[in-house]
Amino acid sequence: DSGVTQTPKHLITATGQRVTLRCSPRSGDLSVYWYQQSLDQGLQFLIQYYNGEERAKGNILERFSAQQFPDLHSELNLSSLELGDSALYFCASSVGGQNSYEQYFGPGTRLTVT
Amino acid sequence: ILNVEQSPQSLHVQEGDSTNFTCSFPSSNFYALHWYRWETAKSPEALFVMTLNGDEKKKGRISATLNTKEGYSYLYIKGSQPEDSATYLCAFDSWGKLQFGAGTQVVVTP
Repeated sequence: DSGVTQTPKHLITATGQRVTLRCSPRSGDLSVYWYQQSLDQGLQFLIQYYNGEERAKGNILERFSAQQFPDLHSELNLSSLELGDSALYFCASSVGGQNSYEQYFGPGTRLTVT
Repeated sequence: ILNVEQSPQSLHVQEGDSTNFTCSFPSSNFYALHWYRWETAKSPEALFVMTLNGDEKKKGRISATLNTKEGYSYLYIKGSQPEDSATYLCAFDSWGKLQFGAGTQVVVTP
């Protein structure tokens, strides 16, 4: 158990809908990262937040947005969902803002868009 | 586009044998290189974060080396055990964004 929690574990929704994925980092960690793993691609970095501020942005679609709240939990919002958004979404956390720190991954949320 | 390449894609090892595999990455704009171990139906588990050229890290029977000038890192598993079976991912950090390789799947047979 990494100490990172993600909810829900599974999510099934229809095209065009909007969903919110939630992540709570390990106690003491200030950075939260979001990753997407789809069948045809490897692990893709989406976005990083550090202490409430956006720190780095990867291959995140405009339909997706994220935020980190004062209690350091983070939410990833996915809107106008398409079939291709079906994937495993991981959240990870680390103590610092730089990528020289180990990242601890949560169990993931499996999103299925039908 | 994956700038991070891992080879081989998969390998089968007999229990007790040692093995190693490679992660290649761009030699410019290097900040850090991460190694993760990813077992089926679990989430990636951090093994090492390497930041300096010539870095060597060790955790039990697993070790890694780093050459930032030529853009590669090796991961070694000494005396492989069935519990070492997993996909080993490397991730290259440049400008604050991690790029993951496709992984090397290791299967250790008794």
